[in-house]
Amino acid sequence: NAGVTQTPKFQVLKTGQSMTLQCAQDMNHNSMYWYRQDPGMGLRLIYYSASEGTTDKGEVPNGYNVSRLNKREFSLRLESAAPSQTSVYFCASSEMGPPEAFFGQGTRLTVV
Amino acid sequence: KQEVTQIPAALSVPEGENLVLNCSFTDSAIYNLQWFRQDPGKGLTSLLLIQSSQREQTSGRLNASLDKSSGRSTLYIAASQPGDSATYLCAVSTDSWGKFQFGAGTQVVVTP
Repeated sequence: NAGVTQTPKFQVLKTGQSMTLQCAQDMNHNSMYWYRQDPGMGLRLIYYSASEGTTDKGEVPNGYNVSRLNKREFSLRLESAAPSQTSVYFCASSEMGPPEAFFGQGTRLTVV
Repeated sequence: KQEVTQIPAALSVPEGENLVLNCSFTDSAIYNLQWFRQDPGKGLTSLLLIQSSQREQTSGRLNASLDKSSGRSTLYIAASQPGDSATYLCAVSTDSWGKFQFGAGTQVVVTP
C-alpha cells in the first residue's frame, strides 16, 4: 500500500540550478499539497491543488511553480534554486469531508 | 490568520508515565484538527483526526480532545513507551479542502 510517494529522497543543488520534485498518490484523492519544513517551524504550505486541473498559492509560494499533471501526480518545480530554499519538502493528499491528510516521506533538499 | 502553538517544545518522561501534549489555535472556526507523529528523517504519520463537531477521538492508548471555544486540543498518550519517542505535530484546517496550519511540534523522549 504505497500511499504518497515522493522522488527524489535527497538532492543537492547549486544556486541557480533548477529541479522538479515529483509526487504521486494512489488513494484516488482529489486534493494534493506541497509543504516545506524548516527547523523550529511548523510545516508551511507552498501550493495546493483542490482538484485535477486547479492549483492555488499557499503561504510561501515565491520561487516555486507546480503542475497537477493528472489526478495522481503533483510536481513542484524550483526554477532557480536559492540557499533559502534548503528545506525538507513534503507532499500530501486528502479527500474532502473531512479532509484527513496523508503525507509522503519527504525530500531533503540542500542548495549550496 | 490562524496561528497554531504547541507547548512545550520538548518533553522528557520516564517509561510508564502518561504524556500530555498541548495544542492551541487562535481562530476557533476550524473545520477539523489532526495529530501527527514524525520520526527523525521520516514523513508524518496520522494519529487522530477530530472533526469540528466532535469533542474527542480515541485510538488505543491515544486520546485527543478538542475545545473549539477555548482554542485548544490535548493529546494524551497513556503508559508511555520508549517507542513513543518522536515529534508530535498538530494541524488545523479551516476549510473542507484540507489546507492545514501546523504547529512547530513537541519533541518527546521516553526514557527506559
